[in-house]
Amino acid sequence: GAVVSQHPSWVICKSGTSVKIECRSLDFQATTMFWYRQFPKQSLMLMATSNEGSKATYEQGVEKDKFLINHASLTLSTLTVTSAHPEDSSFYICSASRQEQYFGPGTRLTVT
Amino acid sequence: SQQGEEDPQALSIQEGENATMNCSYKTSINNLQWYRQNSGRGLVHLILIRSNEREKHSGRLRVTLDTSKKSSSLLITASRAADTASYFCATDAGRGAGNMLTFGGGTRLMVKP
Repeated sequence: GAVVSQHPSWVICKSGTSVKIECRSLDFQATTMFWYRQFPKQSLMLMATSNEGSKATYEQGVEKDKFLINHASLTLSTLTVTSAHPEDSSFYICSASRQEQYFGPGTRLTVT
Repeated sequence: SQQGEEDPQALSIQEGENATMNCSYKTSINNLQWYRQNSGRGLVHLILIRSNEREKHSGRLRVTLDTSKKSSSLLITASRAADTASYFCATDAGRGAGNMLTFGGGTRLMVKP
């Protein structure tokens, strides 16, 4: 149990376009999901905490208007990178919380 | 922001040797967890140690926690080439909702066959 999926696993997009990444808890309900970003050879940096039915809480330095988070149900949170630029290229990882955090497999975003 | 640092940042050893990685953190915690990440992949949860525990074992893994020094260590005994990965500690300080974790910088371990 406690499986978290992400879709897509990788995506390439052109600069200026928007990309949506989905995070699903497959076999449990998660009132809280987290979104992380990881640059090459670096650690995971928390971007935002996503709570079902309410606005996400963003970490300092993360632009809420650029990284739109929607937590529409207890099993789905989405992260939309709007007007993507090459510097947004990164590995995006979500996790869902049920007493402890369960991590998705990550989404590799490349912006050309 | 990151809770603390991991030491060393990179470690290269021969198969069969032991690997020790250290993690320091800054605030009081509820628990500390260790994760493994293969290159370009997701995280694999290895072990969780609570703030009232000092040592925990799981197979070839041994984790210690010293809350007075705000530090933890992960020991992998009899390493194998398949242990090559990045290892991260993460602390749960009871901040925010849903067991928020703060990750250390990670140690990149290479085990040479």
